[in-house]
Amino acid sequence: RKEVEQDPGPFNVPEGATVAFNCTYSNSASQSFFWYRQDCRKEPKLLMSVYSSGNEDGRFTAQLNRASQYISLLIRDSKLSDSATYLCVVVGSGGSYIPTFGRGTSLIVHP
Amino acid sequence: EAQVTQNPRYLITVTGKKLTVTCSQNMNHEYMSWYRQDPGLGLRQIYYSMNVEVTDKGDVPEGYKVSRKEKRNFPLILESPSPNQTSLYFCASSARGLVGEKLFFGSGTQLSVL
Repeated sequence: RKEVEQDPGPFNVPEGATVAFNCTYSNSASQSFFWYRQDCRKEPKLLMSVYSSGNEDGRFTAQLNRASQYISLLIRDSKLSDSATYLCVVVGSGGSYIPTFGRGTSLIVHP
Repeated sequence: EAQVTQNPRYLITVTGKKLTVTCSQNMNHEYMSWYRQDPGLGLRQIYYSMNVEVTDKGDVPEGYKVSRKEKRNFPLILESPSPNQTSLYFCASSARGLVGEKLFFGSGTQLSVL
């Protein structure tokens, strides 16, 4: 089983829609969780960290479910500019402090 | 400005011709890492370094070398490039501890080996 798994998509949604991505991780001892955004052939950039209590940044909400070992990203009121690949990153997976990346979920927002 | 600088942005070479991709960060970060990204495979770690003179293999180290003689620089060396090393490469760094620390990425190097 891959340490960090994501549905590759693509998720194809209209502007204004709400879309949610999940990411599962295999190591229950994992300690830090992040969502990165990557535009085509550009470097990944931090979107938000994920905390146990959940956190929100504008239209974006991230949540962590330690019992079921997954994190989620919810995007409300999707914009065309949200089209990108969203990467889940887990740190502390596999017993190390090396970040482990999921393969990413592709989001396409259309007019 | 805090940044990771990676060069060159694009590189076309031929099989067997040694090349180096440079990576430099100005944030005094301990941790640096190299990734390659291929369609459908996501980001795969090549090598990483926890500090000066400390380097370790990642998931796909074959055919690559790295060095960490100074804290700011972490070059990626391909001694004898082959076509299967054609890929998009990213360098990244973060502060000590990693847990909770953000990764900063370079702009990427698109390498084509003919």
